[in-house]
Amino acid sequence: GENVEQHPSTLSVQEGDSAVIKCTYSDSASNYFPWYKQELGKGPQLIIDIRSNVGEKKDQRIAVTLNKTAKHFSLHITETQPEDSAVYFCAARYTNAGKSTFGDGTTLTVKP
Amino acid sequence: EPEVTQTPSHQVTQMGQEVILRCVPISNHLYFYWYRQILGQKVEFLVSFYNNEISEKSEIFDDQFSVERPDGSNFTLKIRSTKLEDSAMYFCASSPGGTRETQYFGPGTRLLVL
Repeated sequence: GENVEQHPSTLSVQEGDSAVIKCTYSDSASNYFPWYKQELGKGPQLIIDIRSNVGEKKDQRIAVTLNKTAKHFSLHITETQPEDSAVYFCAARYTNAGKSTFGDGTTLTVKP
Repeated sequence: EPEVTQTPSHQVTQMGQEVILRCVPISNHLYFYWYRQILGQKVEFLVSFYNNEISEKSEIFDDQFSVERPDGSNFTLKIRSTKLEDSAMYFCASSPGGTRETQYFGPGTRLLVL
């Protein structure tokens, strides 16, 4: 089955700096890669996703890159703000199947 | 904006008891899922449900677990005889289906088995 590894497990940045979280996946059949933000006591909320036919996608301060050959994808957050502090999960999915396989999560702390 | 809702938000039960976790997926979504997250660990897939039947399940989803869509709006997860290790946050999710595969997660039910 699919295995997703995520690094780092914790990340602390100063407000205004950039944050990068990286994930690798094992199953080359996976073709959909969402990123979720989870705040304390809440469910994962989709913040951005990318499909395997695209190499990069950007939405304001958030961007995701995908390298299909190397089987890795990354989340980039620029101009970080304290409200970006949360746990971020990457996931991989084969879109004709049901399940998403999640990474272990990254706890991002943005210090004012 | 429509969202997935779950009840109860917290459930405490004794080992061996049955629990039913309830979810109301987003209206018009076709695919439904249950995931769980043990405290401090990653989100794990349990089961997916489409067209009134299970389409995929993980090895975690053993005979103690069952899912049901009893009516047009609710989606339930039943644990027949809870174990201590079933203590976790349980998330329901739904997706529209077809080419719109984004999964939308509910706020979760925190289950504590004593």
